[in-house]
Amino acid sequence: DAGVIQSPRHEVTEMGQEVTLRCKPISGHNSLFWYRQTMMRGLELLIYFNNNVPIDDSGMPEDRFSAKMPNASFSTLKIQPSEPRDSAVYFCASSNLQGGYTFGSGTRLTVV
Amino acid sequence: QQPVQSPQAVILREGEDAVINCSSSKALYSVHWYRQKHGEAPVFLMILLKGGEQMRHEKISASFNEKKQQSSLYLTASQLSYSGTYFCGTGGGADGLTFGKGTHLIIQP
Repeated sequence: DAGVIQSPRHEVTEMGQEVTLRCKPISGHNSLFWYRQTMMRGLELLIYFNNNVPIDDSGMPEDRFSAKMPNASFSTLKIQPSEPRDSAVYFCASSNLQGGYTFGSGTRLTVV
Repeated sequence: QQPVQSPQAVILREGEDAVINCSSSKALYSVHWYRQKHGEAPVFLMILLKGGEQMRHEKISASFNEKKQQSSLYLTASQLSYSGTYFCGTGGGADGLTFGKGTHLIIQP
């Protein structure tokens, strides 16, 4: 298994631009999570899905953030418009209901 | 609510032991432990699902005290490869995990 696959690995964009992060979970995992990691705030849960359905998006910082999971093998996290304070490493993770999480390699986002 | 980890950082010599604690103000039903090396993603170590459960991953073990709402990670005879940041996560199951701020572990030869 290739694990959780995220793209791109690095993204540098200008303030105000739209950013789309992508994630392919492990086949057979029914839960998918988006986390953001910064030095100041640590690992923050943004949103998670069970069986492709968004369950809790209370961690999404603002309406500028949105996430979708159109099918069991693909999810996106979109930021529109992006701001410098959105700069962070964004991780996608997947799991079975009672299992440990497998994290993707992350997307390092820099908004200038 | 975010679990509280202690200590924030530990520096050990190779072969020494360490304990990392994780406590919560909320009732705990499960605790996860992860290790993250610099520039990499967190890696799952173990999950504890019920009170009193103890798990082991190589020479790393963990306990879960449901009554005290805390878990401890024990690193025995530490190796250089154990260096990294250790996170506990609470919640899980049908809910997403909330992670502590992490404990930085440095192993010196």
